[in-house]
Order: sequence, then C-alpha cells, then structure tokens
Amino acid sequence: DVKVTQSSRYLVKRTGEKVFLECVQDMDHENMFWYRQDPGLGLRLIYFSYDVKMKEKGDIPEGYSVSREKKERFSLILESASTNQTSMYLCASSYPGQGDEKLFFGSGTQLSVL
Amino acid sequence: AQSVSQHNHHVILSEAASLELGCNYSYGGTVNLFWYVQYPGQHLQLLLKYFSGDPLVKGIKGFEAEFIKSKFSFNLRKPSVQWSDTAEYFCAAGMNSGYSTLTFGKGTMLLVSP
Repeated sequence: DVKVTQSSRYLVKRTGEKVFLECVQDMDHENMFWYRQDPGLGLRLIYFSYDVKMKEKGDIPEGYSVSREKKERFSLILESASTNQTSMYLCASSYPGQGDEKLFFGSGTQLSVL
Repeated sequence: AQSVSQHNHHVILSEAASLELGCNYSYGGTVNLFWYVQYPGQHLQLLLKYFSGDPLVKGIKGFEAEFIKSKFSFNLRKPSVQWSDTAEYFCAAGMNSGYSTLTFGKGTMLLVSP
C-alpha cells in the first residue's frame, strides 16, 4: 500500500514563526500536492510539484512556499505564520498520467497559529 | 474559471435509506471526475472515478455515480446506506491532460443514524 506520511498530526505555532510541514511518500510518485482543508470550503490547492526541483502555484499560494529536493519529500513552508493559516493541511501524491490518476492522501496536519 | 459545486453541505439519513449526493462541474473540454470520501479520523480516499467509457461507474462499498455530460453532473448514489457510511464526501474534477490538477467541491457531510 502506498504510504504518504506527514511528520506531525498537530502543530501549534505563534504568529510570525516560520513553519515547516513535511511530507514523505514511499511509492516513487512523481506528483505531489499540498492542500488545505477548511470547514465549508473543501480542499484548496496551495502548491504542487511534478518532479524534483519543480514547483507550481495552486489556487491559494500566497503566504506559502514549497521545497522538493528529493522525489519522495515535499515540504510546505509558511514564511511568517498568521492566524488565517490555521487549518488542516493535507499532502497527496500520485503517479503521472492524463489527469485520471488517483491521489493518495496523508492523514493531515492540523496547524493552529496563535 | 473551473469549479465544482456540491448541492448539500449536510445530509442526514436513516439506515437503509437511499442516498444521492449532487455534484456539478464547470469545465471546458474533456474532464475527469472523482468522488473522494473521508471517514471520521481517517485520511481521504478514492471512492470512484470516471475518465471515459460507461458513464455509470461503480466504486467501493456499493457506491456508484453517473456522469451526465449534458447536465455537467456527476451525482453519487447508494441504494441503501449504512451507519458506517457516515463521512464527508468530496466531488472533484480535473482536465483530461497531463499536469492537470483537481478542483474539489466544498464537501457534503453525511450522517447516517442507526
């Protein structure tokens, strides 16, 4: 079974802190994604990557950056955390394809910014 | 802009009742369609998907969905729900091309009472 592991289940940070959310997948997937999930808003794409060193902005990239130095690892960085970034963050990965590939999700990181 | 809308935010049913969750999408071109489910305390997982062929697709746990191109719809159905179907359900759509990303709906929370 594919495993997508997010390093923390819960995080509490203060405003202005730099925050790193880590995600590792063990199936050699080329594609990796970061979403945030908020009640009543569903999932919104922050950033994605189709290859090592490659990154593309999603729908809501403001206030975030990403790093993909190795194929299996995709990090989400909050340069200066703010309270409106309190959310559930979901990492996902998939094989490349024609848009029909299945996404494998991690269990999520619930981030609270105080 | 591409969008996915789910008709109901919350649905409450009794066991053995029939279920239909509505999903409409707004996309130009050929589209791939998905339903994902998130059971309480678990990660998101794929329920079923449509990318070509028979517009009636069957997924896990007795769920099915019908792609109606003329209505831009992909409604999820189950003839008889169980208490264990209590979960949040997300419809998603993406272009049928490489490097496509998914747009998710806002989700429908289904509560099945025993």
